Amino acid sequence: NAGVMQNPRHLVRRRGQEARLRCSPMKGHSHVYWYRQLPEEGLKFMVYLQKENIIDESGMPKERFSAEFPKEGPSILRIQQVVRGDSAAYFCASSPRDATNEKLFFGSGTQLSVL
Amino acid sequence: DQQVKQNSPSLSVQEGRISILNCDYTNSMFDYFLWYKKYPAEGPTFLISISSIKDKNEDGRFTVFLNKSAKHLSLHIVPSQPGDSAVYFCATGEFGGYNKLIFGAGTRLAVHP
Repeated sequence: NAGVMQNPRHLVRRRGQEARLRCSPMKGHSHVYWYRQLPEEGLKFMVYLQKENIIDESGMPKERFSAEFPKEGPSILRIQQVVRGDSAAYFCASSPRDATNEKLFFGSGTQLSVL
Repeated sequence: DQQVKQNSPSLSVQEGRISILNCDYTNSMFDYFLWYKKYPAEGPTFLISISSIKDKNEDGRFTVFLNKSAKHLSLHIVPSQPGDSAVYFCATGEFGGYNKLIFGAGTRLAVHP
């Protein structure tokens, strides 16, 4: 029973390039969350998705960031024209239902480094 | 604008003793609180939670206490073990809502033999 799978584990991009982060939720989970952790800070909510639907993207920067969770395949967090301030650890999490008392299962994260 | 604060960035405890990790929050509307543990190069893992209708929840060596009037919660680990060495995050959300959690900055716990 595989956990939440994120890839790549490490991603290096130059300023202006695009970053694509992938997340496969746990089997049977249809709710996916993306969180970002900047150095020395806590995790910050970015977006909540269900299959083919964005439920809440209030934590996403207005520009350059997008997320999707297609009917088939992993969830993708896409960052266009990356800047140094995008360097962070990006964590994906999944749950079987959408209640707060359903604990989240996190992946190991993608460490994005922008040169 | 830190809605959840963990004022101690680090804590060092001897094996077998009690570890007490603290967390303060600002919004009295928060009604569900969680603790996550994180090892290096791994994602956070759920540890224990408490809803605002309770003031204590216990799970083995881990107990969470909630003081609503003070807007304060704490995590007690008794007895502490070297394997407990990790970063601990408190988080809050709205009970019954979805997992749009607000995390504190974390406390790094080191348990020494």
